[in-house]
Formats: sequence, structure tokens, C-alpha cells
Amino acid sequence: GDSVTQMEGPVTLSEEAFLTINCTYTATGYPSLFWYVQYPGEGLQLLLKATKADDKGSNKGFEATYRKETTSFHLEKGSVQVSDSAVYFCALRNSGYALNFGKGTSLLVTP
Amino acid sequence: IAGITQAPTSQILAAGRRMTLRCTQDMRHNAMYWYRQDLGLGLRLIHYSNTAGTTGKGEVPDGYSVSRANTDDFPLTLASAVPSQTSVYFCASSIDPNTEAFFGQGTRLTVV
Repeated sequence: GDSVTQMEGPVTLSEEAFLTINCTYTATGYPSLFWYVQYPGEGLQLLLKATKADDKGSNKGFEATYRKETTSFHLEKGSVQVSDSAVYFCALRNSGYALNFGKGTSLLVTP
Repeated sequence: IAGITQAPTSQILAAGRRMTLRCTQDMRHNAMYWYRQDLGLGLRLIHYSNTAGTTGKGEVPDGYSVSRANTDDFPLTLASAVPSQTSVYFCASSIDPNTEAFFGQGTRLTVV
């Protein structure tokens, strides 16, 4: 079945550092890929998405590119802020099925 | 403000009791979902509904039931709660089964 694998956290970075959170997937067909963010005590919010190979999703300085050849959707940000501290979830969706999530990666950004 | 409303926000429940978690959306989304979130396990799908009047089982459906009598509401019922059902429960919805989902704020349930 479909699955998503994320790098395990927690990830601790200093403010203004470069962020990469790795995400790889296993799926049949051509799934859509998503990154969600969960701030402490809140629900999940859609951060960005890509619906086909080579698409780049971007939002709030975060980017991720749908790489079918490596089955990856790594999340990147050039300069993180303390306010980016949260848990990040990679997810995929195959046609007609519910979102399938990775286990989440906790990010802590220190001043 | 349009979105998903879950109730209650949190609850402590005695084992063996029956409990219904409520979920209402005002976005006229066709599809709705219930997930549970547990530390180290991420989010796991409990039940889903692709359209009013239909429901389906997810990854961890045992001990839970749902109904979808109309577009807006998707309650989740624990018939006889057990401590392993202690979790944070999230309701979500999407326009259709192929698009991104929007999440509620969650219900923190503790079964003692």
C-alpha cells in the first residue's frame, strides 16, 4: 500500500539557518503530495502542495519539489525563524483515497 | 468564519462509557474524515465519508463508528471507551476525495 517516510526529529536549528526535512513516498499511480504544519495546540494547516511530477509547491518561504524519479518531496526553507517551530507532516493522496501521512518531524528554531 | 468545528475541545471519560465527538463543517465539502494522532505514530485514519450517506473504514476503525446523515455533520462515536482510545482526534474535510483536506482544531480525549 501507499506510505510516506519522513526523517525523524526533533530537528533543532538556529534562527536564519537552512532547513531541509526529507520525505519519500511509496505509491502506485500518480499521487498528489502535501506538506502540513501543526503549531503547538492547534490542528493541521496546509503549507504547500504539488499535484504532478516536477511541480514545485511554495508558501511562506517554504518550497518542495515533486520528484517522481526519486519518489521524494523534501521540504526546504532558506532562513528559518523562531515562529517556524512546529511539527511538519508530509502526506500523499492517491485518487479517491484519504490523505496518508508520515509520522511528522518536530522542528525547534532557537534565537 | 468558514471552517470545521469540533466539540468538545477536551474530555476525560471513564472506561466503558459511550462518547460522541462532534464535527461540523460549513464549507459544503463532500468528503469528511476522522483521524487520531498519537505520539510517534502520526495521524491514522479511523473512518471517512466521500459523500453524504456513505462511510468507509480507515486504518484503525475498531471501537469507532460514524454516520453521515447530511453534508455538514460527521460525528464519531466510541461505543464503549477503552484507555487505548486516549488520543487527539481530528476531523477534516475536502471538496472531493482528490483534493487537500482542511482540519479542525482537534478533541483531546483521555479515557481513564
